[in-house]
Formats: sequence, structure tokens, C-alpha cells
Amino acid sequence: KNEVEQSPQNLTAQEGEFITINCSYSVGISALHWLQQHPGGGIVSLFMLSSGKKKHGRLIATINIQEKHSSLHITASHPRDSAVYICAVLPGGSEKLVFGKGTKLTVNP
Amino acid sequence: EAGVVQSPRYKIIEKKQPVAFWCNPISGHNTLYWYRQNLGQGPELLIRYENEEAVDDSQLPKDRFSAERLKGVDSTLKIQPAELGDSAVYLCASRLGGKYNEQFFGPGTRLTVL
Repeated sequence: KNEVEQSPQNLTAQEGEFITINCSYSVGISALHWLQQHPGGGIVSLFMLSSGKKKHGRLIATINIQEKHSSLHITASHPRDSAVYICAVLPGGSEKLVFGKGTKLTVNP
Repeated sequence: EAGVVQSPRYKIIEKKQPVAFWCNPISGHNTLYWYRQNLGQGPELLIRYENEEAVDDSQLPKDRFSAERLKGVDSTLKIQPAELGDSAVYLCASRLGGKYNEQFFGPGTRLTVL
């Protein structure tokens, strides 16, 4: 079993829909990252969280440390949001990020 | 400011051939990572450098993979000889300061071994 599980694996939405991507992890962590990867491109960091909630534009990330769960929300989704969204955790006492497999999001016009 | 630069972006080779990837991190970033990302998977760490020192190479297949970061700036990752299973995207990332700081990723090198 992977230490980091994301759901769903694939998600297709219509433009304007509210999107939620989930991340569950099994180890104690000191931080959690949400990353975005476009086809053929590198990876961009969206958020780093250790507690609570962060918002940037139409993106919102939340984390519940007790439940070992984080969600990434996209409001008013747009085709340019189409990408793979990756959750990565930094286990406590470690320098090494552990990555989920990613959620492939497709937003249709 | 330039981001992390990697070259080549794409490489196709036949099995048993050698291949090398180059990474130029963001200026001043002391930490450099090499990751391998297989299709449909998240990145997996191969090696982490703090300046010129390899501080975590536990997941680097040392029989065929080697890396160096001379002078603590640019880095090269080499595979010799390449195997079919080495086909993947090789990502370089760099970071300034402590482990809670953001990692900046390069565009990756997509390797296809035939």
C-alpha cells in the first residue's frame, strides 16, 4: 500500500464546475505539498500546508492532520486547469518527499 | 530569474547505450534533487545533494547509475548501460534553504530506451 493515496485517479469536469481532489496518507508528516504537472512540462508547486487551509486565486487547499487527509479544491474550473495534480508529504524527521500517483484532471469547455 | 534548466528535453537510445542528463539549478540553490517519474506514477527520489555532497543516494541503482555535482552547481546524471526499464522522465529540482522551503522543478528529460 502506498504511503500516499490520491482519489480519484482521473477526473473529467465541465468548465465552471467545482473540483475536489483528495489525498490520504498513512504516516506522521511535517508538511504536505500540492503540485501541478502539465503534459510535457515540469512540476509547479501550488501549496505547502502543515495545518488549516490556504487559498490562492481559485485554488483552495485544506489539511486535517488528525485524519491524515488533505483536499485540493478548484472553484469555477477552466480548461487551462487541465493537468495532473500531485500530493506529496514530508514525513516527520525526513528530508524526502513521498509522492502520490497523481490525479489527472480534464476540464472540458 | 531563470528556472531549473534541464537538457536534453527528449532522448531516444537503444538498450545498452550510455546516456547523460544535465541540470542547472536556480542560482544560489544549495539543494539539488534528481527524481525518476514512471508513466502514471509520482516522482521517486534518486539522489539528493547538499552543495556538492550526495547526502541521500539510497535509491540510486549504483550498478548502472551515477551522478555528480562538481562545484555544487550543475549536476549530471548518467546511466550506463541503459535498460528498457529505464524509460521514464528524469526530473531535476532545486531548493534554497531548509526542507520546508519550496522545491523548484525543471521540465524534465523524457528518456525512451528501445
